[in-house]
Amino acid sequence: AQSVTQLDSQVPVFEEAPVELRCNYSSSVSVYLFWYVQYPNQGLQLLLKYLSGSTLVKGINGFEAEFNKSQTSFHLRKPSVHISDTAEYFCAVSGHSGGSNYKLTFGKGTLLTVNP
Amino acid sequence: DAMVIQNPRYQVTQFGKPVTLSCSQTLNHNVMYWYQQKSSQAPKLLFHYYDKDFNNEADTPDNFQSRRPNTSFCFLDIRSPGLGDAAMYLCATSRLAGGQETQYFGPGTRLLVL
Repeated sequence: AQSVTQLDSQVPVFEEAPVELRCNYSSSVSVYLFWYVQYPNQGLQLLLKYLSGSTLVKGINGFEAEFNKSQTSFHLRKPSVHISDTAEYFCAVSGHSGGSNYKLTFGKGTLLTVNP
Repeated sequence: DAMVIQNPRYQVTQFGKPVTLSCSQTLNHNVMYWYQQKSSQAPKLLFHYYDKDFNNEADTPDNFQSRRPNTSFCFLDIRSPGLGDAAMYLCATSRLAGGQETQYFGPGTRLLVL
């Protein structure tokens, strides 16, 4: 079984400032890690994912995340945010295989609000 | 270019009146999921189909049912909606191959129960 903790429920920032959204996970098996973004009244859009290989993952809209196995973290970063980045961000984890490990476990989400 | 399609986007129903939400996909994925998402919460998995095999989550109420008549379509049936069932319902798909798992979500159906 896996669990995900998003440490901040809300993150307000000013436009063009850098941002980091924090995500920690726990799992008894090897994991895949994901960040999804959800704009108001829309579905979830995949931002980026870590499956294997390089621990620094680049995604859409200028976001990137770094997988840190020793700290069981997968924090999301963007060097300069825009007003349009205002949305809810969900971190999620799934196991590699076996049983129902392929199902996603989501964190509770972080609301990023970018102010002018 | 649409990949996961949900209809309708908004659904209004009356307390106790059965309602069906629809999901279709053009990705030919073998797994289809239904999630319930209430305001300011994470999506909660209700059930999923792995090919034709139905997998219910232990805490999904009996009021929620699903059908998958073919690879492309999946339906969520709420037999007797209560006020507490008002939520966004998200459909997702994935192709399980070699352990890789990426879920792709539809735009969601927002259900209002009067």
